[in-house]
Amino acid sequence: GQQVMQIPQYQHVQEGEDFTTYCNSSTTLSNIQWYKQRPGGHPVFLIQLVKSGEVKKQKRLTFQFGEAKKNSSLHITATQTTDVGTYFCAGSGSARQLTFGSGTQLTVLP
Amino acid sequence: GAVVSQHPSRVICKSGTSVKIECRSLDFQATTMFWYRQFPKQSLMLMATSNEGSKATYEQGVEKDKFLINHASLTLSTLTVTSAHPEDSSFYICSARSGGFTDTQYFGPGTRLTVL
Repeated sequence: GQQVMQIPQYQHVQEGEDFTTYCNSSTTLSNIQWYKQRPGGHPVFLIQLVKSGEVKKQKRLTFQFGEAKKNSSLHITATQTTDVGTYFCAGSGSARQLTFGSGTQLTVLP
Repeated sequence: GAVVSQHPSRVICKSGTSVKIECRSLDFQATTMFWYRQFPKQSLMLMATSNEGSKATYEQGVEKDKFLINHASLTLSTLTVTSAHPEDSSFYICSARSGGFTDTQYFGPGTRLTVL
């Protein structure tokens, strides 16, 4: 079945430093979605990428979808303490179900 | 828009009892709803997919007789954990998809189940 790997599992950064998390799928995806989950909360939808090579930006967040539609990344520029949480990628394949990556837990040190 | 509610938010029950969790799409019709389970510091694991008016499709390893899913209307799906045991303690999260070509799922706030 479809597998989505995500690295790193944990990342500690100093406030103001950049942060990147990477996702790789074992199969070609129809789209990939990114979610943020704050401690004790539920996943909140951030963005969906559909096109090969697509790049989307949301303020300090930059999302990329690979040319082969099998990998993706989320980059945060100049992290802030409000960025703390776990970031999940979720790949959608032919069955239109989401397979979640293992998540990257981001800690931002003030 | 695209709000999904879940009730209850927390439940504590005794071993052997059954617990029902409701998932509602408040401002859209959800042709498909999903139930996930998340253990502490782990990712979301899909338990089952339910389409309105039909039987749920369970993922491998999920007991359908233990986790009863009903999707009776386009805005409501329920998950009943039958004869709950301590190992069923987890964070249960539902999501809803509005249909059409979109794959975006909107998540409920989750239900934390603790079985004593």
